[in-house]
Amino acid sequence: GQQLNQSPQSMFIQEGEDVSMNCTSSSIFNTWLWYKQDPGEGPVLLIALYKAGELTSNGRLTAQFGITRKDSFLNISASIPSDVGIYFCAGQRQGGSEKLVFGKGTKLTVNP
Amino acid sequence: DTGVSQDPRHKITKRGQNVTFRCDPISEHNRLYWYRQTLGQGPEFLTYFQNEAQLEKSRLLSDRFSAERPKGSFSTLEIQRTEQGDSAMYLCASSSAGTSGRALLFGPGTRLTVL
Repeated sequence: GQQLNQSPQSMFIQEGEDVSMNCTSSSIFNTWLWYKQDPGEGPVLLIALYKAGELTSNGRLTAQFGITRKDSFLNISASIPSDVGIYFCAGQRQGGSEKLVFGKGTKLTVNP
Repeated sequence: DTGVSQDPRHKITKRGQNVTFRCDPISEHNRLYWYRQTLGQGPEFLTYFQNEAQLEKSRLLSDRFSAERPKGSFSTLEIQRTEQGDSAMYLCASSSAGTSGRALLFGPGTRLTVL
């Protein structure tokens, strides 16, 4: 089952507003990833983080790998209507398994 | 090569029938993964291949499920005697070796509906 706690579950914002979402775990992770998924499509990789404390940007998106290695956040600045979708965090736990564990997603709605 | 491709995109079948899905990974990627996603949930890991070797399988992968990657390129996922609970999006992903290989690139998925 899911082992990542992602919040919030959903967000309704106005175009131009900034957005922040986060993911926490009780386990230590060696990789944090953020994906966006549109209806009926597969997840698209937004940002990959590989080191504790790492802060990475991709256009208006910024994500950080928490220092404790048990959390990560994603910020979206100046939101636009095409930011609508479901955002998932995913991580690879330290310890050898290759699988990614996913959060339940944050559904973002942007009102023009 | 523009990304991971999956076929078919949609499959409707009757309970008890067998279905098979195909995944073509990004050509230079030696790692291939299958995930399953149900409504309102994140993807859940099913199995992982490195080249042709199946190295990890989830407990979710019951004996009705089998995956192959015979030549280390494309992969197939077969579900035998489908049940209504098998209805889900089946996602394939691939990656390269090394640290950057932890970032999986997903295909568009195959939506399975079992009636």
